[in-house]
Amino acid sequence: DQQVKQNSPSLSVQEGRISILNCDYTNSMFDYFLWYKKYPAEGPTFLISISSIKDKNEDGRFTVFLNKSAKHLSLHIVPSQPGDSAVYFCAATPTGTASKLTFGTGTRLQVTL
Amino acid sequence: DVKVTQSSRYLVKRTGEKVFLECVQDMDHENMFWYRQDPGLGLRLIYFSYDVKMKEKGDIPEGYSVSREKKERFSLILESASTNQTSMYLCASSLWPVAGEGETQYFGPGTRLLVL
Repeated sequence: DQQVKQNSPSLSVQEGRISILNCDYTNSMFDYFLWYKKYPAEGPTFLISISSIKDKNEDGRFTVFLNKSAKHLSLHIVPSQPGDSAVYFCAATPTGTASKLTFGTGTRLQVTL
Repeated sequence: DVKVTQSSRYLVKRTGEKVFLECVQDMDHENMFWYRQDPGLGLRLIYFSYDVKMKEKGDIPEGYSVSREKKERFSLILESASTNQTSMYLCASSLWPVAGEGETQYFGPGTRLLVL
């Protein structure tokens, strides 16, 4: 049972345009969400997070939006750069429980010149 | 910076061999995790540990065991490797024992294991 879903396995975006990566979850206990970025042959690195008390969190070119009623979150990258080409994983956890994350299947972003 | 290191980047083993994957973190983190990453399946949690000598099963513990004798070190053991355990194995650590805002996990570079 996939509790965190990333339905788009890949996405191609031109440099300078907006990249939008989507993530859906089914577990209503999840209230803290994270995005990780992974380059080939490296471990994932933390990118940005959002708590369920917010509907938006911004950090430079990266913004995460949370729609609790739809159980949906999205990561916006503006403007996209070639160095953003990587696999992006969303992850979720219920706060106040043992600290473990449930990850989605990942979306491979390719930013073209 | 938090540093999580894994003993090998690449390993090739034969079916039936006992395999040890070692992970060390240098930030005195409470929690340590082992995941495997497979195409189309994302990261799946195998085991985690929130204290020395403590362990909890993750989502896919079958065929694996773990050991945490020291706070900084978490080992994943494949008792008898099988071809379906060919995968990328990722170790992670995090500071807080309970999930909360600001919490994140720090990952090692991964070990790509091939079982022939």
